[in-house]
Amino acid sequence: QKEVEQDPGPLSVPEGAIVSLNCTYSNSAFQYFMWYRQYSRKGPELLMYTYSSGNKEDGRFTAQVDKSSKYISLFIRDSQPSDSATYLCAMSLYYGNNRLAFGKGNQVVVIP
Amino acid sequence: DGGITQSPKYLFRKEGQNVTLSCEQNLNHDAMYWYRQDPGQGLRLIYYSQIVNDFQKGDIAEGYSVSREKKESFPLTVTSAQKNPTAFYLCASSMDRYQETQYFGPGTRLLVL
Repeated sequence: QKEVEQDPGPLSVPEGAIVSLNCTYSNSAFQYFMWYRQYSRKGPELLMYTYSSGNKEDGRFTAQVDKSSKYISLFIRDSQPSDSATYLCAMSLYYGNNRLAFGKGNQVVVIP
Repeated sequence: DGGITQSPKYLFRKEGQNVTLSCEQNLNHDAMYWYRQDPGQGLRLIYYSQIVNDFQKGDIAEGYSVSREKKESFPLTVTSAQKNPTAFYLCASSMDRYQETQYFGPGTRLLVL
């Protein structure tokens, strides 16, 4: 079983819809969770960073962590065509260990 | 502008040839990383360096080598021992080993002729 599982998609949604993405993980020691957005043929850019269970909101983006279920989610409200990209989840074990475990990425297409 | 630059954007390698990918950052970050990205595979860590003159192997270091002689530079050499080098190579940096958030460069696409 891979450490981090992420459905690669693609996920197609109409403009204005809510996009829901998720990752599951097997190592309960993961403590820090990130979402990156990667446009085609570009490097990933950090979108959200969370620590501990709960929700974190930033504009149209909400990151959710459920450590008891080993499950993290990213929600994009009022999706725009510019949100069309691949979204990667990433996580790390503990403070001072900066090696990240990545999901495979989930391709999202927002249709105008 | 602060950031990470990678060059070249595209690189072609002939059989048996070593090639070097450049990564430079002006963020004053201590830690730097090299990843390989293949379709459907996600990012896999090749090498990382937490401080100048020190580096460690990642999960797929075979066929690759690195150096870290300057804080701002972390070049990656893809040697002839790497039998399947075609991939998208990403360099990243973080402030130090205690910072989980990594910032990525634009990537180099390596193709084999």
